[in-house]
Amino acid sequence: AQKITQTQPGMFVQEKEAVTLDCTYDTSDQSYGLFWYKQPSSGEMIFLIYQGSYDEQNATEGRYSLNFQKARKSANLVISASQLGDSAMYFCAIGTGRDDKIIFGKGTRLHILP
Amino acid sequence: DTEVTQTPKHLVMGMTNKKSLKCEQHMGHRAMYWYKQKAKKPPELMFVYSYEKLSINESVPSRFSPECPNSSLLNLHLHALQPEDSALYLCASSQDPGRPQARPYNSPLHFGNGTRLTVT
Repeated sequence: AQKITQTQPGMFVQEKEAVTLDCTYDTSDQSYGLFWYKQPSSGEMIFLIYQGSYDEQNATEGRYSLNFQKARKSANLVISASQLGDSAMYFCAIGTGRDDKIIFGKGTRLHILP
Repeated sequence: DTEVTQTPKHLVMGMTNKKSLKCEQHMGHRAMYWYKQKAKKPPELMFVYSYEKLSINESVPSRFSPECPNSSLLNLHLHALQPEDSALYLCASSQDPGRPQARPYNSPLHFGNGTRLTVT
C-alpha cells in the first residue's frame, strides 16, 4: 500500500523568503503520481503541482516547484518568494497505477510572517 | 468558482435522520471521490467511482451509502449517523477524458467546497 509522510506539522517563514515543505513516500509500484494541495482556512482544496514517477524533470508551476528525488523517495514542495496568502495547510498526496486511490499525508501548516 | 459543486454547504442532522449529500461536475471526468475530513486532519478516502462503477470502498460503515446515478453526479446517502461522523465531506473528480492516458494516479483531483456535517 502507498504511504505519504510529512514530518513538519508547522512552519513559520518570513514573507518573501523561499520555503521547502518536506514529503516522503513509500510505494512498490513503478507507476505513480505525486501531488501537492493547498487548503486555506476557508476549507477549499486547491491543486498546486503534479510530478509523475517517470518524469525526468522536476515539475514547476509559477512560484511552486517540486524537488523530486526518486531514489530517496522524496517530493518536496518549494515555494519561492513567499506571500502572506501562502499561509495555509499543505498536503502531499500519492496515487499509484495499482488502483484508483489518492492518499494524503498529514499535512504541514505554513504560516507566513509579515 | 469551483467546477465541482457540492450541496448543501452545511447540514445538521439527528442520529435518526436520513439525508443525502450531492456532488456534481460537468468536466466529463471519469473518476469521482468522497473524502471525509476531520478538523486539523488530512482528507480520508471513503469511496471512489470509476466510470460510474464503485471501484474503492475503504471499509466505510454501511450508514454511509454512495450512489453514482450518472457520470456527472455523485451522492452520499446518510442514515443513522453518529456524532463522531461530524466532519467536512469533500467530493472530488479527476481523469479528463480528453487525455487518452489519463488515470487517477496521473490526474489532479478537482475538489468541491465541501459539506460541513454536524450530527447531533
